[in-house]
Amino acid sequence: DAGITQSPRHKVTETGTPVTLRCHQTENHRYMYWYRQDPGHGLRLIHYSYGVKDTDKGEVSDGYSVSRSKTEDFLLTLESATSSQTSVYFCAISETRTGSIHEQYFGPGTRLTVT
Amino acid sequence: AQTVTQSQPEMSVQEAETVTLSCTYDTSENNYYLFWYKQPPSRQMILVIRQEAYKQQNATENRFSVNFQKAAKSFSLKISDSQLGDTAMYFCAFMKDDQGGKLIFGQGTELSVKP
Repeated sequence: DAGITQSPRHKVTETGTPVTLRCHQTENHRYMYWYRQDPGHGLRLIHYSYGVKDTDKGEVSDGYSVSRSKTEDFLLTLESATSSQTSVYFCAISETRTGSIHEQYFGPGTRLTVT
Repeated sequence: AQTVTQSQPEMSVQEAETVTLSCTYDTSENNYYLFWYKQPPSRQMILVIRQEAYKQQNATENRFSVNFQKAAKSFSLKISDSQLGDTAMYFCAFMKDDQGGKLIFGQGTELSVKP
């Protein structure tokens, strides 16, 4: 299994509070991703990173920001949490040593509840 | 924009029998990748099988195989000799062949294997 951890694994927070989720990898992979999973939608991409300090938006980026100051860490921040951001959040990493991007490997997920 | 559709929200199969999960996608791209991911109750996302669009031969991985019909934009997953451990949510996913490696997921099919 790829070395990917997410913290915290579970969090309950109140509307309007800031929340930061952390993804940590030990694989030295260049690409990292944040997805959210909601019933009926599968997984949807929030943001991704293609290197240290290099990030870009996904299809559901509103209300989220990310940062990547080190290869191994990718942070997802909800500046002011809303109930619509209650979801399960997955981090993923991807290998590019062969020159192309293929499989993504996922972390265990973080269940976030905004009350 | 690309879309992925899984039209079977739930399916069930008897242990040791064969089951096929359907997936269709829409894209104007010629080069891309298709994946099936498995998500058991543990919530971990596990890569089951992948297919490169430029390959005509269907991918196989032990009891798992795909039927890739590029012209019809169809990518079904066949599970042979179903086992109780195959009970899970299955997601079909699409990836363009470009920098970024962003996955677009279908809504998922919940498969139950019955003893």
